Amino acid sequence: DAKTTQPNSMESNEEEPVHLPCNHSTISGTDYIHWYRQLPSQGPEYVIHGLTSNVNNRMASLAIAEDRKSSTLILHRATLRDAAVYYCILRDFEETSGSRLTFGEGTQLTVNP
Amino acid sequence: DAGVIQSPRHEVTEMGQEVTLRCKPISGHDYLFWYRQTMMRGLELLIYFNNNVPIDDSGMPEDRFSAKMPNASFSTLKIQPSEPRDSAVYFCASGSGTVFYNSPLHFGNGTRLTVT
Repeated sequence: DAKTTQPNSMESNEEEPVHLPCNHSTISGTDYIHWYRQLPSQGPEYVIHGLTSNVNNRMASLAIAEDRKSSTLILHRATLRDAAVYYCILRDFEETSGSRLTFGEGTQLTVNP
Repeated sequence: DAGVIQSPRHEVTEMGQEVTLRCKPISGHDYLFWYRQTMMRGLELLIYFNNNVPIDDSGMPEDRFSAKMPNASFSTLKIQPSEPRDSAVYFCASGSGTVFYNSPLHFGNGTRLTVT
């Protein structure tokens, strides 16, 4: 499985944008980039995913580098509720490996009031 | 949609006892996953099912662990006998396999197991 590398922790201030980086230099052409987050005492929740183009949804934006070797999750205005561990995960469309999620250590985001 | 439902939320048991964790996936989802989370090892996939059939159980730690999915709306993870090192949070997740790589997994809120 292709690996991802994320910083262990990041800090942000409330109502400011947050850019969470992820490196995936060994990504293959069939890997989708997924982001999940885990709030305290909860299960992981889906945030966003993409293949090549930048993606936006109500929670966040995903910026994917042109060579796809890195991506950035963007929270446009961080709130205290966004404090969580954020996981960047690659998923390919080969069913045996892509149907599951393999979690790394993620980035612990702290949001300061 | 009630989401993925796990029970119990907390379980405290003594070493050697049998423990059964339960999961109700989202209706219509054909994939079901069991994960375990500890501080030391993070989130680990234990086993997953597709259309009620176990596909990959390579993550199951040892024979003391077993999982079943008797129908599309129910799954159990059993530990017999339990040991203190089994203490962890166990998550169940479900997903749709139609375009699985394009579909999110939905997680329950987990069962926190403590074995004394």
